[in-house]
Amino acid sequence: SQKIEQNSEALNIQEGKTATLTCNYTNYSPAYLQWYRQDPGRGPVFLLLIRENEKEKRKERLKVTFDTTLKQSLFHITASQPADSATYLCALEGSGGYQKVTFGTGTKLQVIP
Amino acid sequence: DAGVIQSPRHEVTEMGQEVTLRCKPISGHDYLFWYRQTMMRGLELLIYFNNNVPIDDSGMPEDRFSAKMPNASFSTLKIQPSEPRDSAVYFCASSTTSGYYNEQFFGPGTRLTVL
Repeated sequence: SQKIEQNSEALNIQEGKTATLTCNYTNYSPAYLQWYRQDPGRGPVFLLLIRENEKEKRKERLKVTFDTTLKQSLFHITASQPADSATYLCALEGSGGYQKVTFGTGTKLQVIP
Repeated sequence: DAGVIQSPRHEVTEMGQEVTLRCKPISGHDYLFWYRQTMMRGLELLIYFNNNVPIDDSGMPEDRFSAKMPNASFSTLKIQPSEPRDSAVYFCASSTTSGYYNEQFFGPGTRLTVL
């Protein structure tokens, strides 16, 4: 069955360092991979999308890589700030239906001042 | 735009009662999604609509759950009868095919507690 795995344990890093979050998937051939941010008590907010034929995508301090051979995406936040503390969700959109995405369970990031 | 609007924000009910959750998508968006989020299972897609028509309801857990979208600006998710295991946060999201990214815009969610 299709499976999306993100680190269930929280990731704690020092302010100013680069945070790297991992999203692995199995039995899936996604056309797109998205990353969302979710703050407590709020709905997820879209951050970045990367297509299957793209290796890397950047937006300000954010960088996403997508390796369809390894079936993995890495999400980097450079020069991390306490305001980056949140849960980050990856989401895969495949051929099951246009705009239908499947979300991972998320990784909680805590940036320590 | 006010974004996706959901009501109520919190709902506490007793087992066996009917629960109706409401959603107003962003104007002009042609896709609407209902999700359920729990600690154990994460964010699960229940059903989604395109132009008010249900496209995929394979995530609806059982017949106790039903969803409607009578027009482009309103959708409901109904649980009848409710059970304690239905306790979760329910999110509504909308998106548009005219956007460059297939991003979904989420509402603030409804926290449902079934006693």
